[in-house]
Amino acid sequence: DIQMTQSPSSLSASMGDRVTITCQASQDISNYLNWYQQKPGKAPKLLIYDASNLETGVPSRFRGSGSGTDFTFTISSLQPEDIATYYCQQYDDVLYSFGQGTKLEIK
Amino acid sequence: EVQLLESGGGLVQRGGSLRLSCAASGFTFYDYAMSWVRQAPGKGLEWVSRISGNGRTTYYPDSVKGRFTISRDNSKNTLYLQMNSLRVEDTAVYYCAKVKWGVATGPFDYWGQGTLITVSS
Repeated sequence: DIQMTQSPSSLSASMGDRVTITCQASQDISNYLNWYQQKPGKAPKLLIYDASNLETGVPSRFRGSGSGTDFTFTISSLQPEDIATYYCQQYDDVLYSFGQGTKLEIK
Repeated sequence: EVQLLESGGGLVQRGGSLRLSCAASGFTFYDYAMSWVRQAPGKGLEWVSRISGNGRTTYYPDSVKGRFTISRDNSKNTLYLQMNSLRVEDTAVYYCAKVKWGVATGPFDYWGQGTLITVSS
């Protein structure tokens, strides 16, 4: 099974800050890596698929990069509505797996 | 508009069984693979099963393999999760999710609102 390690587990930032989250796979997953946003009490929302592709309707301040085992998710300028928990997810293996999540809070 | 509506959640005793349903609309259901994903209270997301569009191929993680069975009725546009031998650690909100592309695998572009399963000891 592929293990996904996300860091940090929590992050405090100010409005307008650039925010970066990393995700590391336990083996090469090519670019089969997605990023989701989840707000309290809500279902997750797909933001980035295949490591770097922005889902339709998602603001361009969200960006993903990486391939192989190391991936990065960036918010270029943090907005109030971005406060949420973010998860990476791999689908290279037949058995999917998520990272443990990064909770983004206001400083 | 794509809609996924889960039902069947509730309180069940340890060792009991429950079947979840996910009614799909707004897309050609049999063309898309589907999955169930759960989230224990205050915890992260855990993928628990997936099924191909035609229902012939299924996968499970070790945590539920042999206890949970995913299935679908394409004539009713409905996805199911039969959960047997339930454990306290199965307590979670269960989401059904649609794969973005008309193939067996891919990101999840639509999710249901979730249904809560509570397993009591």
